Amino acid sequence: DAKTTQPTSMDCAEGRAANLPCNHSTISGNEYVYWYRQIHSQGPQYIIHGLKNNETNEMASLIITEDRKSSTLILPHATLRDTAVYYCIVSNNFNKFYFGSGTKLNVKP
Amino acid sequence: DVKVTQSSRYLVKRTGEKVFLECVQDMDHENMFWYRQDPGLGLRLIYFSYDVKMKEKGDIPEGYSVSREKKERFSLILESASTNQTSMYLCASSLSLLAGRYQETQYFGPGTRLLVL
Repeated sequence: DAKTTQPTSMDCAEGRAANLPCNHSTISGNEYVYWYRQIHSQGPQYIIHGLKNNETNEMASLIITEDRKSSTLILPHATLRDTAVYYCIVSNNFNKFYFGSGTKLNVKP
Repeated sequence: DVKVTQSSRYLVKRTGEKVFLECVQDMDHENMFWYRQDPGLGLRLIYFSYDVKMKEKGDIPEGYSVSREKKERFSLILESASTNQTSMYLCASSLSLLAGRYQETQYFGPGTRLLVL
């Protein structure tokens, strides 16, 4: 499975958009990009996933570059409750979800 | 909504005890997973199951066993708990493998913090 690279931490002002980048330069053609987040002391929560096209749901938007070597998760209006560790995962194997260190997003008032 | 529940949020056991961690999902998912999460190491897959009575080793199965007698329930067993098994244990489930598509979203339970003294 492809390895992902994410910044260790990011800050965002409450009410502003949070843009979380992820590099996955070795991604292969059949690998999906998944985003999860983990609020302190809770289990990871699914956010969104995509293959090639940009995706949007009630939680976030996922922008995947045309070459698929990177992606950005966008939380359009961050709130304090969005403070969490965000994980970017690429995989094509249902039993191999590798969670790296993720990005610690700090949403500040 | 998918609901994955774990039997305990916090558990304290003594070295050598047999420990059972239970996980139940209510969405008729075929696949279930057990992970442990430790600071600096991320989530590591212990075991997974893609059908009743079927199990496969993950990356760190040593010291653990699992049981899946019913589709909705996946149990993680520590035969003889040791202090290095102190960790956060997370259960997850996913729907199934669909024809032509390998990937399915995993949904996680709230986790069990196990302390082995």
